[in-house]
Amino acid sequence: DAKTTQPPSMDCAEGRAANLPCNHSTISGNEYVYWYRQIHSQGPQYIIHGLKNNETNEMASLIITEDRKSSTLILPHATLRDTAVYYCIVRVARQGAQKLVFGQGTRLTINP
Amino acid sequence: DSGVTQTPKHLITATGQRVTLRCSPRSGDLSVYWYQQSLDQGLQFLIHYYNGEERAKGNILERFSAQQFPDLHSELNLSSLELGDSALYFCASSPSMGDNSPLHFGNGTRLTVT
Repeated sequence: DAKTTQPPSMDCAEGRAANLPCNHSTISGNEYVYWYRQIHSQGPQYIIHGLKNNETNEMASLIITEDRKSSTLILPHATLRDTAVYYCIVRVARQGAQKLVFGQGTRLTINP
Repeated sequence: DSGVTQTPKHLITATGQRVTLRCSPRSGDLSVYWYQQSLDQGLQFLIHYYNGEERAKGNILERFSAQQFPDLHSELNLSSLELGDSALYFCASSPSMGDNSPLHFGNGTRLTVT
């Protein structure tokens, strides 16, 4: 699976949009981009995933560049409860290749 | 609530002992994954089971073993415990294998070895 690069930490003001970048320049055509977050020591929480089109759900939006070498997770109106470590993961969808490989992620702090 | 249930939430035991961690996947999910998270290692993949069969192994020690039962719940057995085995152990599940379905994680078992 392709490697991802994320900034180690970011800050965002409460109520503003939080934009978390992720580089995955070696991504291949059948690899999806997944975003998870981990709040304190809870289990990682699935947020969103996509292949090449932008995706939106009730939690966030995922913007993937046209060349697919990078993506941005957008939390539209960040709250204090969004403070967490956010993981960007690239994963191929094929038989037997199912595990998620977690990097160090981005520690996002939402400030009041 | 992810729908993945892990028990117990906390476990304190002594070095040399053996423990069993249990995971009930989301209803209908056939795949179960185990991960270990210690302070200095991040989230490390241990092992993956699909419909009762082992499908992939990660950095799992020989002292550790797992199985998935016919009712699809899974157990992770840790034996000859060492201080360094103290960690959070997470289980995740997904519907199948080979597609793009996300994994959903439980809230983990915190193991403390004294």
